[in-house]
Amino acid sequence: DQQVKQNSPSLSVQEGRISILNCDYTNSMFDYFLWYKKYPAEGPTFLISISSIKDKNEDGRFTVFLNKSAKHLSLHIVPSQPGDSAVYFCAARGAGGTSYGKLTFGQGTILTVHP
Amino acid sequence: DTEVTQTPKHLVMGMTNKKSLKCEQHMGHRAMYWYKQKAKKPPELMFVYSYEKLSINESVPSRFSPECPNSSLLNLHLHALQPEDSALYLCASSHLQGARGYTFGSGTRLTVV
Repeated sequence: DQQVKQNSPSLSVQEGRISILNCDYTNSMFDYFLWYKKYPAEGPTFLISISSIKDKNEDGRFTVFLNKSAKHLSLHIVPSQPGDSAVYFCAARGAGGTSYGKLTFGQGTILTVHP
Repeated sequence: DTEVTQTPKHLVMGMTNKKSLKCEQHMGHRAMYWYKQKAKKPPELMFVYSYEKLSINESVPSRFSPECPNSSLLNLHLHALQPEDSALYLCASSHLQGARGYTFGSGTRLTVV
């Protein structure tokens, strides 16, 4: 049972436009949601996070939105740059019990930003 | 120092070999993790150490044996692996509280022949 899902395996966007990456989750026992960026042959790099009690967090070109009623979050990148091309993973952090602190990852979305 | 350092970067081992993967961080993080990532898949949690004690073992086969000698070091001892164990092994660390999640190392690319 996959608790964190990214249903779009890939996304292609023109440079300067907005990239929107989506993520859905099925378990409410998460305290933070995070986005990671991964280049080939490297470990994932933290991008931005949002607390489960917030609905928006912004950091420069990156904004994460959380819709708790829909169990959905999205990452907006504006403006998109070719250097943003990578695999983006959504992750959810366990809030308690045996899952406290544990990150569960989505399948990832390959973002390609064309010049 | 804001990095997690993993060695070696690449490892090829036979099914009868014994090898170890090493991970080091000096950020004062008291939680350390081993993840396994196969191609085109998300990272999968293997082990969690909290204050140098094993707190989570995600039903990992005993041919993988973790060790946390101190708060900065994490090892993964490998013995009698199978070809399907070939993957990218990622180490990560984090504070036990806070919003930034984990800091990942660059991983060890393991090939079992």
